[in-house]
Amino acid sequence: AQSVTQPDIHITVSEGASLELRCNYSYGATPYLFWYVQSPGQGLQLLLKYFSGDTLVQGIKGFEAEFKRSQSSFNLRKPSVHWSDAAEYFCAVGARSSGDKLTFGTGTRLAVRP
Amino acid sequence: GAGVSQSPSNKVTEKGKDVELRCDPISGHTALYWYRQRLGQGLEFLIYFQGNSAPDKSGLPSDRFSAERTGESVSTLTIQRTQQEDSAVYLCASSRGGVSNQPQHFGDGTRLSIL
Repeated sequence: AQSVTQPDIHITVSEGASLELRCNYSYGATPYLFWYVQSPGQGLQLLLKYFSGDTLVQGIKGFEAEFKRSQSSFNLRKPSVHWSDAAEYFCAVGARSSGDKLTFGTGTRLAVRP
Repeated sequence: GAGVSQSPSNKVTEKGKDVELRCDPISGHTALYWYRQRLGQGLEFLIYFQGNSAPDKSGLPSDRFSAERTGESVSTLTIQRTQQEDSAVYLCASSRGGVSNQPQHFGDGTRLSIL
């Protein structure tokens, strides 16, 4: 069965600092990978996705992620964090062979210091 | 509307009562998903509808949970004889197709509290 691990439950960074959120997956086939962001009281918004091709993908709000097959990772990065980035971030993996279901990680809550 | 719409946004009910949650997907989206998000946890898949195919109910936690969808439109998730452990945010998502490479668009969820 596929699984997603987000090892950091809570991260605090200073505004303007760089950010990297970790995501590791376990899956036998080539996965489709996603990062979503959830602000309090709201649903999830898609930040970026990887299906195939270039392993460095660009998303909205200045985020990017890199797919590293050898490490089974899909880490999310941003060079300079803004206070409005404070939210919860979820990594998810899916594949056609899994019946189109997404498996989500438990999330990383990001706090931003002024 | 432009996005996935869920109602009610909040629901408080007594243990043992039945509840019905509604989801209006984005127009033209053939796939519809229900997830449960318990406090401080990730999303737990419940059920998936794709067009006129039989739904994938593999994530439903018990027979107290059921869901229906009319064609490619509205879906309702019903929880019978609610228990306190059913307290969670229930999120609905829709996507353009049934394959996982179509991103899912989420509603804001229904926060369900069982007293």
